[in-house]
Amino acid sequence: GQSLEQPSEVTAVEGAIVQINCTYQTSGFYGLSWYQQHDGGAPTFLSYNALDGLEETGRFSSFLSRSDSYGYLLLQELQMKDSASYFCAVRASGGYNKLIFGAGTRLAVHP
Amino acid sequence: NAGVTQTPKFQVLKTGQSMTLQCAQDMNHNSMYWYRQDPGMGLRLIYYSASEGTTDKGEVPNGYNVSRLNKREFSLRLESAAPSQTSVYFCASGGGGIGNEQFFGPGTRLTVL
Repeated sequence: GQSLEQPSEVTAVEGAIVQINCTYQTSGFYGLSWYQQHDGGAPTFLSYNALDGLEETGRFSSFLSRSDSYGYLLLQELQMKDSASYFCAVRASGGYNKLIFGAGTRLAVHP
Repeated sequence: NAGVTQTPKFQVLKTGQSMTLQCAQDMNHNSMYWYRQDPGMGLRLIYYSASEGTTDKGEVPNGYNVSRLNKREFSLRLESAAPSQTSVYFCASGGGGIGNEQFFGPGTRLTVL
């Protein structure tokens, strides 16, 4: 089967750096994605890692280690608007276009 | 471009009633998906359509049927609603490119009494 684990909640203060970890177990692996979802809103795509290493997009970075079946999302210079849920997702085997999502990490940013 | 649109936004059903959730995308994507999201849980795939004319089951297909009407439209039908189907339903589409980025509609909040 396929499963992903990520912390349920993370709390941080404005201006800080926070790391959200994701470990996965899959029968086949193509890449790890991250999505952001504000309360009452729809998920939106943040980043994708197919190869080991760090991908940077502005204040957000995402890291992947395929050998450790592990990745993380790094958010820098936190702002109040970053308060949201963050989901990691893997492309599922047996269906090239399918994604399997983790349960999500709720990030609360405080002043 | 509207992106991905869903109707209705809210719906309340009684147990045993049926309804169809509509989804349309204007991004010319081949793939479309239906997910449900329950409190404290991630998105679970109900059904997907890799291309026009094809549909496949996802993780939680029981109690649902889908129709890929054309490239733009992908509908989800509940034939006999149950309280366990109370959830937020999201439709998504994807071009199948790098990362298989998926674009989500605003969701339908469904309550089954």
